[in-house]
Amino acid sequence: DAKTTQPNSMESNEEEPVHLPCNHSTISGTDYIHWYRQLPSQGPEYVIHGLTSNVNNRMASLAIAEDRKSSTLILHRATLRDAAVYYCILKGGGADGLTFGKGTHLIIQP
Amino acid sequence: EAGVAQSPRYKIIEKRQSVAFWCNPISGHATLYWYQQILGQGPKLLIQFQNNGVVDDSQLPKDRFSAERLKGVDSTLKIQPAKLEDSAVYLCASSFLAGVSETQYFGPGTRLLVL
Repeated sequence: DAKTTQPNSMESNEEEPVHLPCNHSTISGTDYIHWYRQLPSQGPEYVIHGLTSNVNNRMASLAIAEDRKSSTLILHRATLRDAAVYYCILKGGGADGLTFGKGTHLIIQP
Repeated sequence: EAGVAQSPRYKIIEKRQSVAFWCNPISGHATLYWYQQILGQGPKLLIQFQNNGVVDDSQLPKDRFSAERLKGVDSTLKIQPAKLEDSAVYLCASSFLAGVSETQYFGPGTRLLVL
């Protein structure tokens, strides 16, 4: 499986935007970029995914570099409830198991 | 819409004992996954079912772990006999396909402690 690289942890202030980076230099042409997050003591939760174009949904935005070797998850206005571990995962189309790394531990300061 | 249900939420056993976990996926989801999450790590796939058939069990330690999904709905994961290193959270997820795009929905997990 293609690998992703994320910072171990990031810190941000409440009500400010957060940009979570992910590098995936060995991404293949058919890999989708998925983001999941895991709040304390809960199972992972889907956030967003994309292939080539930038994507927006009610939770976040996903900005994908033109060469697709990196991407950034954007939380437009962080709240304390956004404190979680965020995982960037490459995945082909179709039903397939997810390969999780260690993710980025996002800390939100009030 | 009801989410993925798992039980029990917590279990403490001694090594060499057996244990079973149960998962009820979201209604209509054909694909079901079991993941193991050791403290401080991301979840690791153990087994994937499509309806009641196994698609991928390459990372399942088959000498002690078994799983089944009768009638393509509920699933059970069993460990027999348990080892200390099996202490982890066991997560069940189910999914549906919209075209080629899959979204997985996770349950709250079962936290297992082996003493």
